[in-house]
Amino acid sequence: KAGVTQTPRYLIKTRGQQVTLSCSPISGHRSVSWYQQTPGQGLQFLFEYFSETQRNKGNFPGRFSGRQFSNSRSEMNVSTLELGDSALYLCASSASPGAGNQPQHFGDGTRLSIL
Amino acid sequence: QQQVKQSPQSLIVQKGGISIINCAYENTAFDYFPWYQQFPGKGPALLIAIRPDVSEKKEGRFTISFNKSAKQFSLHIMDSQPGDSATYFCAAGKAAGNKLTFGGGTRVLVKP
Repeated sequence: KAGVTQTPRYLIKTRGQQVTLSCSPISGHRSVSWYQQTPGQGLQFLFEYFSETQRNKGNFPGRFSGRQFSNSRSEMNVSTLELGDSALYLCASSASPGAGNQPQHFGDGTRLSIL
Repeated sequence: QQQVKQSPQSLIVQKGGISIINCAYENTAFDYFPWYQQFPGKGPALLIAIRPDVSEKKEGRFTISFNKSAKQFSLHIMDSQPGDSATYFCAAGKAAGNKLTFGGGTRVLVKP
């Protein structure tokens, strides 16, 4: 079974631009969560989607948004990029909400660098 | 109320030794405590997880100990191997949801 696939793996943007990252969950998984990983702040929850609906949102500005499609694939978008947005963006999928019964599996992330 | 504090930040252990990583949480609503292992260039991989209704859970060389009254939990890696050299993260969440609050991570180096 293929794991969580995130594309692209690496991305370089400049300040003020916008970016879209993609996540394909494990086949059959319907819940997708996004996390930002930086050396300073560690792993921080961005948002969670299930059945095309956002179920939960972390403490990030409105420049960070996401969506989920009917095939469970998810995208996150960051507008008006800032230097501080440089990070590894991780996507995790699970069969359904409820991490206790349905473990979350992470992809290898998209490394976003802002120049 | 959402913090998870992890210690130590780094750890060096000899091959065959025991690695111990500790975490403390504040939010008593948390009822799901997983540990993740991350290698450079890779995403975190779930190692082992525990619910607060048990005090210990063992899977192979990895053991979680949980102290509900102290709001602390720890990971023990027995018979540490060089291949265990990685960054380990504790996390906490509610079993009914997928939002995880992560500790700051512990970089473990196992010397041969």
